Amino acid sequence: DVKVTQSSRYLVKRTGEKVFLECVQDMDHENMFWYRQDPGLGLRLIYFSYDVKMKEKGDIPEGYSVSREKKERFSLILESASTNQTSMYLCASSTGGAKTQYFGPGTRLLVL
Amino acid sequence: GENVEQHPSTLSVQEGDSAVIKCTYSDSASNYFPWYKQELGKRPQLIIDIRSNVGEKKDQRIAVTLNKTAKHFSLHITETQPEDSAVYFCAASTGGGYNKLIFGAGTRLAVHP
Repeated sequence: DVKVTQSSRYLVKRTGEKVFLECVQDMDHENMFWYRQDPGLGLRLIYFSYDVKMKEKGDIPEGYSVSREKKERFSLILESASTNQTSMYLCASSTGGAKTQYFGPGTRLLVL
Repeated sequence: GENVEQHPSTLSVQEGDSAVIKCTYSDSASNYFPWYKQELGKRPQLIIDIRSNVGEKKDQRIAVTLNKTAKHFSLHITETQPEDSAVYFCAASTGGGYNKLIFGAGTRLAVHP
C-alpha cells in the first residue's frame, strides 16, 4: 500500500511565524504536490515537484515556498504566516503521467 | 489555464436512489479525468477514473461518462447506500510527466436511510 504521511494533523501558529509542513511518501514517486482545501473551493494546487530540487508553482503560490531535498520528502513553508492561510493542507504523490495521486491525511493549520 | 466546474455543490438522496454529479472542463487538451471521494475527516481517495479515449467506465455501482465534444464528464452512483455519503471531487489533467490535476469545488452527497 502507498503511504503518504504528514508531520502534523493539527497545528496552531501565530501571525508572522515561520511554519514548516512536511510530507513523506514511501513509494518512490517522482511527483509530489501541496494543496490547500477550503470549503466551496475544492483542492487548489500551491506547488508541485517532479524531481529532487525541482519545483513548479501551482495556482496559488503566493505566501508559500517549498523544498525537496530528498525524493521521498516534500516540505511546504509559510515564510510569515497570516490569518488567511488558515486552512487544511493536503500533500499528495504520484508517478509520472496520468496516474493516481495518493493523498496524505492532511494538516489543519490555524493561524491566530 | 484549465478550469473545472462541478455541480451540484450539495446533493441529498434517499437510500437506493441514484446520484449524478456533473463536471465541465475548459482545456480541450485534457485527457485524464479522475474522481475522488473524501469521507468526513479522511483523505481524498480515488474511486474511478477515465481517459479521453473511452466514453464510459463502470465499477460495480459507480460509473463515469465522458463527452469530449461538450467537454463534460459525470459520475453516476446507483443504489446509493449511507456509506456513499461523502464529498466527491472531479478533476482534469492534460497528463504528461507532471500529472497536474485541476479539481472541481466538490459535491457533498448525503444519502438518507
